[in-house]
Amino acid sequence: ETGVTQSPTHLIKTRGQQVTLRCSSQSGHNTVSWYQQALGQGPQFIFQYYREEENGRGNFPPRFSGLQFPNYSSELNVNALELDDSALYLCASSPPRGRNTEAFFGQGTRLTVV
Amino acid sequence: AQKITQTQPGMFVQEKEAVTLDCTYDTSDQSYGLFWYKQPSSGEMIFLIYQGSYDEQNATEGRYSLNFQKARKSANLVISASQLGDSAMYFCAMREVQSGSARQLTFGSGTQLTVLP
Repeated sequence: ETGVTQSPTHLIKTRGQQVTLRCSSQSGHNTVSWYQQALGQGPQFIFQYYREEENGRGNFPPRFSGLQFPNYSSELNVNALELDDSALYLCASSPPRGRNTEAFFGQGTRLTVV
Repeated sequence: AQKITQTQPGMFVQEKEAVTLDCTYDTSDQSYGLFWYKQPSSGEMIFLIYQGSYDEQNATEGRYSLNFQKARKSANLVISASQLGDSAMYFCAMREVQSGSARQLTFGSGTQLTVLP
C-alpha cells in the first residue's frame, strides 16, 4: 500500500506566475484535500475533491483551483501568484465515506514566491 | 471564532518524562472527530491518535493517549516516556461530520515540543 506522494518537494516562482502542484493519493482513497500552511501556523483548508468534483472549499480566492483524476490523484493550481502564497502545501487523502478515520498526508510542497 | 485552541506555543520535557499538550475545541455538532498530528521539521503531518465524539473511552495508541473531556470540550494529548525523537510541532485538529459536506480538518496553531536529554 503506497502512501500519499506530492511533487515537487520544493518550488520557487516569481510573483504573477502560475504553479501546478501534484498529489497521488493513498491506494483505495477517493477523497483528496489540499491545505496551505504558512510559516508558524496550522494548515488551512483550501478545498476537497471527491469523485472528481470539488465538494468543499475554504476561504481561498478563485485563483486557487484544482482537479481530481479518475485514479484519484489531484492537482492544485494557483494563478497570479502573490508573495503571501509562499507556504507549505499539503495534500491529504481519505478513505471512502462511511469510515471516520484519519486523513493521510503527503510530505508537502514548499512553495516560495519571490 | 477559533474552533481549535492550543494555548501552549512551546513546551519542554525531560527525556523519559510524560508531557501533556492542551487542546480545546468549539463546535455545536454532536458528531465530530478529534485528531492529533505530529509535524517534524521535514513537514509531513504524521497521524498520532483519533477520538470520536461518541467514543466513551479515551483513545490510546502506544505511548500516546488522548484525555477527552467532552463537557469541557478538551482533548489533551498525553505522551508518556518522552523520547528525543518526539521533538516536533504537534497539531490538534477537528473534523465535524456533516452529511454531504466536505470532510475537512480544522487545525489549531500548534505546540512546539522539545525533549531535553
